[in-house]
Amino acid sequence: ILNVEQSPQSLHVQEGDSTNFTCSFPSSNFYALHWYRWETAKSPEALFVMTLNGDEKKKGRISATLNTKEGYSYLYIKGSQPEDSATYLCAFSDSGGGADGLTFGKGTHLIIQP
Amino acid sequence: DGGITQSPKYLFRKEGQNVTLSCEQNLNHDAMYWYRQDPGQGLRLIYYSQIVNDFQKGDIAEGYSVSREKKESFPLTVTSAQKNPTAFYLCASISTGTGNTIYFGEGSWLTVV
Repeated sequence: ILNVEQSPQSLHVQEGDSTNFTCSFPSSNFYALHWYRWETAKSPEALFVMTLNGDEKKKGRISATLNTKEGYSYLYIKGSQPEDSATYLCAFSDSGGGADGLTFGKGTHLIIQP
Repeated sequence: DGGITQSPKYLFRKEGQNVTLSCEQNLNHDAMYWYRQDPGQGLRLIYYSQIVNDFQKGDIAEGYSVSREKKESFPLTVTSAQKNPTAFYLCASISTGTGNTIYFGEGSWLTVV
């Protein structure tokens, strides 16, 4: 069983502040790293899929970076808003391409305080 | 709109009963998955199917069974052999053409009473 670790487990951030959290994953047999945003009572929503070392992706105020050699990815949120409150999941797929299922971290639960 | 539909959203089961959770997708995806989430845990893979009439055990398959008779449908049966069935269950499918993005249903809450 592959190990994907996310930290911190939960995070309280003041509205307007920027924040970031980490996902670490096995650096061998890497295929892709996924970030999802999961709000309560909704389906997890795909944010980014990254495959190349050094990849940086951006979607509005949210961005992510990838280091496949050392096995970590950072997710950044700039100028946090209350609607950013959610659980952020990262998931790893190995050289099988994810067809045999992604391995998920436990998530970082982000709460934005007005 | 294309998507994944899970039903029921909430289900109560008596001990010793089998229950089946439905998952239907109209995304034309070949691969489908069932995950389970428990408090404080990440999503754990129960079963997956990469093609019709074929499926594989995931990390925690004991006490569960699946079928894949149609591309669109991947029902999960939680049997009486599953020791701790109370959990949140997510069905998903994967599009290999868009960076292997996984799409999820809205989940089913199963409670054993």
